[in-house]
Amino acid sequence: QSVLTQPPSASGTPGQRVTISCSGSSSNIGSNTVNWYHQLPQTAPKLLIYSNNQRPSGVPDRLSGSKSGTSASLAISGLQSEHEADYYCAAWDDSLNGWVFGGGTKLTVL
Amino acid sequence: QVQLVQSGSELKKPGASVKISCKASGYTFSTYTMNWVRQAPGQGLEWMGWINTNTGNPTYAQGFTGRFVFSLDTSVSTAYLQISSLKAEDTAVYYCARGLSVWVGELEVKWLDPWGQGTLVTVSS
Repeated sequence: QSVLTQPPSASGTPGQRVTISCSGSSSNIGSNTVNWYHQLPQTAPKLLIYSNNQRPSGVPDRLSGSKSGTSASLAISGLQSEHEADYYCAAWDDSLNGWVFGGGTKLTVL
Repeated sequence: QVQLVQSGSELKKPGASVKISCKASGYTFSTYTMNWVRQAPGQGLEWMGWINTNTGNPTYAQGFTGRFVFSLDTSVSTAYLQISSLKAEDTAVYYCARGLSVWVGELEVKWLDPWGQGTLVTVSS
């Protein structure tokens, strides 16, 4: 049981816009910033979004993040087959004094 | 470029120990924390804890005390994760990840980046 809640799966057709949600509580998302990672099969997680909506160098602007209260979301526009991956949200939890992750969302491009 | 390179896969018998290395390059090792994250087969990410690369002080998450030890060799910019008394349920991929933080006003913004490529530990008799 993950501390942050994500839908286990999401899907879309090429060119569509999809969003992945991440729900937490006042001790994590409610009081700290949210990061998003993606993970291709058999590879390490890679940072996509940090500080709720900031993209590291090299991450295209078709990916965007947002946060409101104790929830956050990742949006991917212009969906492409290369976006098929597992996506994880993460936030620092002040009560646990550590990182907490969502359970991951498997994105399928139909 | 900033890079974390981990040691290779390990196959161990129950009760044995394993020590995984994570060698950092491209930045000043002692400036950032080093975190460890576990991913069991087909499962999500689970934070194990972190080590202060300046002081060597480790912090372990709930469920990762006792058999898990974080250590450093700053002379070679390397962090280690040792797991003793291995059990079948320790079978997982273990990642190291650099921890960064900046203060934006009164808010500490934190993230983990980059991650090592992962080390698969298989525990089987």
